[in-house]
Amino acid sequence: RKEVEQDPGPFNVPEGATVAFNCTYSNSASQSFFWYRQDCRKEPKLLMSVYSSGNEDGRFTAQLNRASQYISLLIRDSKLSDSATYLCVVDTTDSWGKLQFGAGTQVVVTP
Amino acid sequence: GAGVSQSPSNKVTEKGKDVELRCDPISGHTALYWYRQRLGQGLEFLIYFQGNSAPDKSGLPSDRFSAERTGESVSTLTIQRTQQEDSAVYLCASSALVSNQPQHFGDGTRLSIL
Repeated sequence: RKEVEQDPGPFNVPEGATVAFNCTYSNSASQSFFWYRQDCRKEPKLLMSVYSSGNEDGRFTAQLNRASQYISLLIRDSKLSDSATYLCVVDTTDSWGKLQFGAGTQVVVTP
Repeated sequence: GAGVSQSPSNKVTEKGKDVELRCDPISGHTALYWYRQRLGQGLEFLIYFQGNSAPDKSGLPSDRFSAERTGESVSTLTIQRTQQEDSAVYLCASSALVSNQPQHFGDGTRLSIL
């Protein structure tokens, strides 16, 4: 089983709609969680950290469910510019603090 | 500079040649990562440095790949006797010492093997 798993999608979303997707992780001791976005042929960029109480940044809401070992990202009022691949990142809890990336979920927002 | 810097941004070379890719992390970041990303695919972890040590080399695909880091700063990824399947974008990222800090990526080096 992979340490970090994501539904690859694509999630096709009409402009203005809401989309949500999850990322599961295998290490119950993981403490650090992030969402990145990656545009086509560009480097990944940090979107937001995920806090245990859940957090919101504008139209983006991140949640952590420790019991079921997944994090989620919800995008409200989708914009065309939200089209990207969203990468989930989880720490591996090794002594070195290494972070592990999921393969990404593709979101396509359509007019 | 303020961000992670990689060079060259693009490299085209003939099969069988050696290539060296460079990464300048954000100043003060002790963790440094190398990834490979083929067109349309996810990030493939190659190697991870904490300071100048590489505790995790598990992602290096073959003995043609090596990496080093000096002065807890610049890192170089070397690919010897390049093959066409080495064509990809090579991304470098750095982060602060503690594990709850996110990684910051460079723009990558686009490597094309003819």
